Amino acid sequence: GNSVTQMEGPVTLSEEAFLTINCTYTATGYPSLFWYVQYPGEGLQLLLKATKADDKGSNKGFEATYRKETTSFHLEKGSVQVSDSAVYFCALSSYTGNQFYFGTGTSLTVIP
Amino acid sequence: KAGVTQTPRYLIKTRGQQVTLSCSPISGHRSVSWYQQTPGQGLQFLFEYFSETQRNKGNFPGRFSGRQFSNSRSEMNVSTLELGDSALYLCASSLVELTGNSPLHFGNGTRLTVT
Repeated sequence: GNSVTQMEGPVTLSEEAFLTINCTYTATGYPSLFWYVQYPGEGLQLLLKATKADDKGSNKGFEATYRKETTSFHLEKGSVQVSDSAVYFCALSSYTGNQFYFGTGTSLTVIP
Repeated sequence: KAGVTQTPRYLIKTRGQQVTLSCSPISGHRSVSWYQQTPGQGLQFLFEYFSETQRNKGNFPGRFSGRQFSNSRSEMNVSTLELGDSALYLCASSLVELTGNSPLHFGNGTRLTVT
């Protein structure tokens, strides 16, 4: 079946620190992978995506590389800001699943 | 282009009542899916509609139902409300059905509180 496992939170970092949020997946077929971000009181927003192996998605300084050999899609940012404080969700979509599968979310707090 | 619009933003209902939530997708999007978000369970898939047909359903009781209209707008209904139905209900639209690489676009959700 299809599933996503992501790093438990919460994560607290100082401003300008390096961020990694781990995400691994199980999927039948060839999934597309996504990172979404949710700010307080809002819905989820697409942060980045990758649709095939070795693709790198990037947006607003965040990056994630689709690694088929390790079934991973880790989110990274070189220097976080206070405004990056939010909950981050890893997700996959597969032709075999007819739905999106989300991880449990990782809460990030960045302190000045 | 307007985003996904969900109404109302907040609802307070009593156990046993029923509730209807509304979702207007992005113009041109034909797939609408619904999710329940709670602190303990995360995002749980409810169902997806595409071209007025329910294509997939998550593991929720029959009290949860939905429909989609010809203009792609969707409604979700919960009957005989229980305390455990208190959650943020998120609607998402997509250009195509949920088997491709087209991303989901979410609304800001309806916060339902059951007392």
